[in-house]
Amino acid sequence: QKEVEQDPGPLSVPEGAIVSLNCTYSNSAFQYFMWYRQYSRKGPELLMYTYSSGNKEDGRFTAQVDKSSKYISLFIRDSQPSDSATYLCAIHNNAGNMLTFGGGTRLMVKP
Amino acid sequence: DTEVTQTPKHLVMGMTNKKSLKCEQHMGHRAMYWYKQKAKKPPELMFVYSYEKLSINESVPSRFSPECPNSSLLNLHLHALQPEDSALYLCASSQDRSAWGYTFGSGTRLTVV
Repeated sequence: QKEVEQDPGPLSVPEGAIVSLNCTYSNSAFQYFMWYRQYSRKGPELLMYTYSSGNKEDGRFTAQVDKSSKYISLFIRDSQPSDSATYLCAIHNNAGNMLTFGGGTRLMVKP
Repeated sequence: DTEVTQTPKHLVMGMTNKKSLKCEQHMGHRAMYWYKQKAKKPPELMFVYSYEKLSINESVPSRFSPECPNSSLLNLHLHALQPEDSALYLCASSQDRSAWGYTFGSGTRLTVV
């Protein structure tokens, strides 16, 4: 079992839709949860982070963590074509000082 | 300056060539990383430098040789690569090894012919 699992997609939605991206993880020692956005042929860009269970909102983006279920989500409201990218969940384990990535979900928002 | 700068952006090299990838940051970060990313895959960790010392080598073949000349610079020296080494090579930095917020460069797209 991989430490972080993520549905690879691709996920195709119409402009304006609400998008839900999800990851599950296996190690309860993981403490910091991040979402990176990666445009084609570019490096990953940190989009959001959180370290506690619950929701964190930033504009159209909401990151949600459920530590009891080992489940993290990223919601995108009013999705735009410019949101088309690969979204990588990433989890930091303080014990090992390592960042573990999910496999990435490719999102396509069609005008 | 909140960027990690990588050069070159693209590189094509033969299997007998020697080349180097360069990475630079001026954010005062003391941990720097090399990742390799194949198409449609997540980044895979290759090397970690902490305070200019190599702290992790993820069993990377010796044809890849990292170097950290100072706290702002990270190099990856390449020699006798194979076509399967073709990938996007990403550099990242963080405040220190315990910090979770990594800043990535745009990468060097390497093609080995």
